[in-house]
Amino acid sequence: DGGITQSPKYLFRKEGQNVTLSCEQNLNHDAMYWYRQDPGQGLRLIYYSQIVNDFQKGDIAEGYSVSREKKESFPLTVTSAQKNPTAFYLCASSIHREDYGYTFGSGTRLTVV
Amino acid sequence: EDKVVQSPLSLVVHEGDTVTLNCSYEVTNFRSLLWYKQEKKAPTFLFMLTSSGIEKKSGRLSSILDKKELFSILNITATQTGDSAVYLCAKGGSEKLVFGKGTKLTVNP
Repeated sequence: DGGITQSPKYLFRKEGQNVTLSCEQNLNHDAMYWYRQDPGQGLRLIYYSQIVNDFQKGDIAEGYSVSREKKESFPLTVTSAQKNPTAFYLCASSIHREDYGYTFGSGTRLTVV
Repeated sequence: EDKVVQSPLSLVVHEGDTVTLNCSYEVTNFRSLLWYKQEKKAPTFLFMLTSSGIEKKSGRLSSILDKKELFSILNITATQTGDSAVYLCAKGGSEKLVFGKGTKLTVNP
């Protein structure tokens, strides 16, 4: 079955450590996105990529980094520069254009202690 | 700033009630308006609206877009406890979807 897989589902890290969240899709979608969700804040865009080896900053990119070396994969690194990293992270993908809608992964809940 | 505003932010109803969720947006780069339902983890797609005045229906859910007044509504009739979720509205048209904060709907038995 085609879909988008995020791993791990839950992640605990100590303050000051970098951590990488995985996102893989087998839908042959061109575009991939990372959103952060906090209670009462909705979904806020971190980074997005429309083609391999290219990505753009979203609204809250500071403290995060991404890569897009393969069409299927769009990992997100939460660096120690991110001041408040504890949140729910959602990865999504879409075919060609975002206004056709996204397919979402199940999310990763990151807790920094 | 590219804004999508949803109201109310939170709503508590009893089973059987009808609810209307609202979403307003800015006209810049508009191509589509999408509704998603988020129960626990991944948001699931409900509707995509591109034309004004044409209602889309799926069972007890329906949605309509008003491009003149820049808003959309999502109606849920005869609500059930399984409708309890966060409903997200998103605007498409600028290389990425811009989401509102969501409406948290709680349906009590």
